[in-house]
Amino acid sequence: DTEVTQTPKHLVMGMTNKKSLKCEQHMGHRAMYWYKQKAKKPPELMFVYSYEKLSINESVPSRFSPECPNSSLLNLHLHALQPEDSALYLCASSMEERGNQETQYFGPGTRLLVL
Amino acid sequence: AQKITQTQPGMFVQEKEAVTLDCTYDTSDPSYGLFWYKQPSSGEMIFLIYQGSYDQQNATEGRYSLNFQKARKSANLVISASQLGDSAMYFCAMREQNTGNQFYFGTGTSLTVIP
Repeated sequence: DTEVTQTPKHLVMGMTNKKSLKCEQHMGHRAMYWYKQKAKKPPELMFVYSYEKLSINESVPSRFSPECPNSSLLNLHLHALQPEDSALYLCASSMEERGNQETQYFGPGTRLLVL
Repeated sequence: AQKITQTQPGMFVQEKEAVTLDCTYDTSDPSYGLFWYKQPSSGEMIFLIYQGSYDQQNATEGRYSLNFQKARKSANLVISASQLGDSAMYFCAMREQNTGNQFYFGTGTSLTVIP
């Protein structure tokens, strides 16, 4: 099973709303990632959790707040977003044990529209 | 400097023909992994193929093969017998031993298969 699930698939929110994106994997992966992707562009890394601890924060604005409640779950809390935050948000996970030999497995993404 | 360079923004190929998507990389780490992902218009990033820096042979996975030329720092993806379903964005990525969880992505190549 190489499945990473993400909910919701689509989200429309106003600039004053608070919402959360959820990601789940049951592959025993200990690294989990959030990416933001604009159309026709590569994914931009936002956050990485390794063994449930935040290991990389790519200078993401504080209106994005990640959370890793356990090794299978990853959340991204959204608050006071701007229209330019509209994008596809991808979650991914990977093993840690074999380092650079391990690929990431991606979820289907959440398409976010901020009005 | 860019870690991953994909110089072909768009490519066209006739159905049933082979196509090569270019990827060059830049690293001083002797241990690294190279990955190709496919992203259809639905948005999900699909892992296709992996090549390790110490692998002596080129990786193959079904109709996908990786033409790995270490001295030239290139890792081109070859798709044989193209199918209409191969139309998608293709991203080359690298993971270095020394930078752990960080994946570096190229800008992508949009492939269109013509019937």
